[in-house]
Amino acid sequence: AIRMTQSPSSFSASTGDRVTITCRASQGISSYLAWYQQKPGKAPKLLIYAASTLQSGVPSRFSGSGSGTDFTLTISCLQSEDFATYYCQQYYSYLPTTFGQGTKVEIK
Amino acid sequence: EVQLVESGGGLVKPGGSLRLSCAASGFTFSSYSMNWVRQAPGKGLEWVSSISSSSSYIYYADSVKGRFTISRDNAKNSLYLQMNSLRAEDTAVYYCARDKSSGEPLFDYWGQGTLVTVSS
Repeated sequence: AIRMTQSPSSFSASTGDRVTITCRASQGISSYLAWYQQKPGKAPKLLIYAASTLQSGVPSRFSGSGSGTDFTLTISCLQSEDFATYYCQQYYSYLPTTFGQGTKVEIK
Repeated sequence: EVQLVESGGGLVKPGGSLRLSCAASGFTFSSYSMNWVRQAPGKGLEWVSSISSSSSYIYYADSVKGRFTISRDNAKNSLYLQMNSLRAEDTAVYYCARDKSSGEPLFDYWGQGTLVTVSS
């Protein structure tokens, strides 16, 4: 199975900050990379797919980039509602599709 | 509005069985592949199983192969997961999730989850 590694595992930030989360695949996955946001006690929410395509209804402050093995999720201006855990997912090799371990964004 | 509502979770002893259900509404259920994804307490996400729109293609994670069975009833807009020979490590919140598009396990809608606890 393709292993997805996110960094950092957690960090603190302030409202208004620009933040970046990194996801690395153990082998090339082209652009078959998605990002999800999960808040405590809630289901994950699809933010970005195909590495950089914003899901309908997702604010434009979210953006994604990368291809091959290295990917980033950027939040350009952190809002209070963005404090959550973020997961990357590869769907290049979808048996199985695999997720990163998550990155928790906390309030500084 | 797309809605996915899971049910059937609970406390079960090791070696026991449980059947989860997911009721779908707000979209043409029979046109979409569906999935089960789980999350152990305080842990990350793990894909469990997928079923194509007509049940022609079914896939399982190695961790549940031979113990879990996914199925669907398109007439009832429902997805199921029969879980047998349950182990402590199966303890998790189980989510049903819809494929965004055919052939790609990209999950655009999720249910609220149902908790399965395997403990003696």
